[in-house]
Amino acid sequence: SYEVTQPLSVSVALGQTASITCGGNNIARKHVNWYHQKPGQAPVLVIYRDSSRPSGIPERFSGSNSGNTATLTISRAQAGDEADYYCQVWDSNTAGWVFGGGTKLTVL
Amino acid sequence: EVQLVESGGGLVQPGGSLRLSCAASGFSFSTHNINWVRQAPGKGLEWVSYISTSGDSTYYADSVKGRFTVSRDNAKNSLYLQMNSLRAEDTAVYYCARLYCSGGTCYYYMDVWGKGTTVTVSS
Repeated sequence: SYEVTQPLSVSVALGQTASITCGGNNIARKHVNWYHQKPGQAPVLVIYRDSSRPSGIPERFSGSNSGNTATLTISRAQAGDEADYYCQVWDSNTAGWVFGGGTKLTVL
Repeated sequence: EVQLVESGGGLVQPGGSLRLSCAASGFSFSTHNINWVRQAPGKGLEWVSYISTSGDSTYYADSVKGRFTVSRDNAKNSLYLQMNSLRAEDTAVYYCARLYCSGGTCYYYMDVWGKGTTVTVSS
């Protein structure tokens, strides 16, 4: 089955840019979706189909996907961006949704 | 307001059964595929099950295949997850999540999530 790998944690200084990666074999051939989740809350979609933003998500959030790595980029990081971030793909071989293990973003 | 509300969680003994429900409102429920996703305490997200708009197509994660059954009642705007032979490792918050569909085309990302219902399997 397809697997995607995320770093356990990423730290970023307030106002700087954070990058969270999602690795997988030829992941560029798949569409990657990103969710953030704050403690005690449900996940929220922040990027879909690699680089599109749902309405209500700030332009500071962007995504890219190339080769074996997809990346979620958060510009001008704010304290409110602290959350767990999950990437997700659809695995057509197993007909299932695959989540990365999640990355905890800390804003210093 | 577009909303999904889960219910039915609780404490159940190993080997027992539980039926979760997910009530939809604020959108055309019958035109959207739906997923169940769970999250064990302190762990990440795990996809559990999928059901198509009409209910004629369902998928399951290997970890629940043969024990869980997803169904829906479009007349009642409701989704269900029948969980049998429950194990300690099924302990989790269970979310229902809408898969985005537009103009008859459905995609593989979840744009609306419920707040979840907690299932605890313990003796």
